[in-house]
Amino acid sequence: AQTVTQSQPEMSVQEAETVTLSCTYDTSESDYYLFWYKQPPSRQMILVIRQEAYKQQNATENRFSVNFQKAAKSFSLKISDSQLGDAAMYFCAYRYGGATNKLIFGTGTLLAVQP
Amino acid sequence: EAQVTQNPRYLITVTGKKLTVTCSQNMNHEYMSWYRQDPGLGLRQIYYSMNVEVTDKGDVPEGYKVSRKEKRNFPLILESPSPNQTSLYFCASSSLSTEQETQYFGPGTRLLVL
Repeated sequence: AQTVTQSQPEMSVQEAETVTLSCTYDTSESDYYLFWYKQPPSRQMILVIRQEAYKQQNATENRFSVNFQKAAKSFSLKISDSQLGDAAMYFCAYRYGGATNKLIFGTGTLLAVQP
Repeated sequence: EAQVTQNPRYLITVTGKKLTVTCSQNMNHEYMSWYRQDPGLGLRQIYYSMNVEVTDKGDVPEGYKVSRKEKRNFPLILESPSPNQTSLYFCASSSLSTEQETQYFGPGTRLLVL
């Protein structure tokens, strides 16, 4: 069975600094997708970034980028120039590339941004 | 505006009193799903539906029922709620088209079962 592991329950970063959140996953599939979701205090789930496993290029969305290491089954999220609004719970998620759209989530990393 | 809506947003009930949490999407998505979020466990899938009248169990289906009579709606039913179903519930939807498989989440329903 596929699993997703986030080993950092909490992280802290200074405003304007860079922080990296870790995520590893386990799968025997070759076709899959990986996601980072942000959950602010409002509890809304907001998609931050996604990565298709077949793409070697790391995804980037403005200040957010990923380091996707397929062989190591690692998918870390880098947040550059951290802002107070980045403070949230961040979830890493895996989706199998088959018929089902089921997302498998990690346990989350709570990010605090210090002014 | 493309969105997934859930009602109610907050609910306090007592053990054994049947309740329904509604979910509706306006994006004509085939796929809809329910997740529950618990501290330290992340989100876990309860049930999902690939289209009208097609539903299947997720990882934690015990104590829940669903139906999909219309494409836009996917209600979650708790026939006899118990305290261990106290949780934050999310409905999500997505297209089954390869290019548009990003899942959109509703705002969440916080349920407390006494």
